[in-house]
Amino acid sequence: EPEVTQTPSHQVTQMGQEVILRCVPISNHLYFYWYRQILGQKVEFLVSFYNNEISEKSEIFDDQFSVERPDGSNFTLKIRSTKLEDSAMYFCASSGDTTGELFFGEGSRLTVL
Amino acid sequence: DQQVKQNSPSLSVQEGRISILNCDYTNSMFDYFLWYKKYPAEGPTFLISISSIKDKNEDGRFTVFLNKSAKHLSLHIVPSQPGDSAVYFCAASPNSGGSNYKLTFGKGTLLTVNP
Repeated sequence: EPEVTQTPSHQVTQMGQEVILRCVPISNHLYFYWYRQILGQKVEFLVSFYNNEISEKSEIFDDQFSVERPDGSNFTLKIRSTKLEDSAMYFCASSGDTTGELFFGEGSRLTVL
Repeated sequence: DQQVKQNSPSLSVQEGRISILNCDYTNSMFDYFLWYKKYPAEGPTFLISISSIKDKNEDGRFTVFLNKSAKHLSLHIVPSQPGDSAVYFCAASPNSGGSNYKLTFGKGTLLTVNP
């Protein structure tokens, strides 16, 4: 069964460092998303991406965040200068049709020290 | 601003019985509703969805009911099995007219099914 894969599964970084989280969406999907879940809180929308551009982004997705689809398979989330409050589980998701069924990856846990 | 609320953080049921998970929403623009299940250390897994033009959708042991006037939906699992033990998230999306689904999630309900 096709799945969304994410790397790394866990990353520990120092405050102020740049982090890149990588995702390989399901191959025939066209819509890509990043969500995050801070420990003990709800899963929150960060950004959606379609046709090589951002479709929508949340208030959380400020200038420190960026997304890119550098080739035909990867979808990355970059945090330019990490803050303590960026510590969370980051989920990549993709969808291929109009049903709203998003397929999520297993998540990348980011710990900022 | 909790646009999607799951007021029960946890629910415990006996194997074979019905599990009922509830969800309320406040945003009238929400047009599409989904339930996701999440095991520890895994991403959310899609379970079942319902469009606002319907009031019920059934898939095997899972049934979702939507009461638009009350802005309430529920997920029924019957019979419940120990493998159903997980966190269940209710999610909602406005009908953007396209395929860009920005989901708003509830906080989740931890379901424990006891053998």
